[in-house]
Amino acid sequence: NAGVMQNPRHLVRRRGQEARLRCSPVKGHSHVYWYRQLPEEGLKFMVYLQKENIIDESGMPKERFSAEFPKEGPSILRIQQVVRGDSAAYFCASSPPAGRNQPQHFGDGTRLSIL
Amino acid sequence: AQTVTQSQPEMSVQEAETVTLSCTYDTSESNYYLFWYKQPPSRQMILVIRQEAYKQQNATENRFSVNFQKAAKSFSLKISDSQLGDTAMYFCAFMKNNNNDMRFGAGTRLTVKP
Repeated sequence: NAGVMQNPRHLVRRRGQEARLRCSPVKGHSHVYWYRQLPEEGLKFMVYLQKENIIDESGMPKERFSAEFPKEGPSILRIQQVVRGDSAAYFCASSPPAGRNQPQHFGDGTRLSIL
Repeated sequence: AQTVTQSQPEMSVQEAETVTLSCTYDTSESNYYLFWYKQPPSRQMILVIRQEAYKQQNATENRFSVNFQKAAKSFSLKISDSQLGDTAMYFCAFMKNNNNDMRFGAGTRLTVKP
């Protein structure tokens, strides 16, 4: 029973490039969440998605960041024209569809480094 | 907006001793959920314990227990018989009822000393 799978584990990009972070939820989970963790800080909520729908993106920066969770395939967090301040660990979590208020299962994160 | 405050950036405890990590939160909701997550050096996020606000009984998971004071909006984590493997960052988190996004505190770095 695979947990939340995130890839890549580490991603290095130069300023101005695009970063794509992937998240495959636990099998059967239809809710996906993305969080960002800056060094020595807690996790900050970014976006909450269900299949093909963005439910809450109140934590997403207004520009350069986007997220999707297509009907087929993993959820993607996309950062365009990356800047040094985007360097962080990005965590994905998933929860099951049956009943809200379920604990979220976290992936191991993607460490994004911007040169 | 909900805020979660962990006032202890760092704590240490001797192996086999007991330690309590503090967490307070601010909300106008009456029903919600509270969690403690552990993040060891491997940086995985591991759920330690969960409390439902409408339950008065404090949650317990083996050596981990909480002291939930709803009126005071306090949710502390007690770790008994501390082990070296408990060394990690501990995050307190809040989730509104019927709303799945969680709000995390800034974390407490716990070091268990041999």
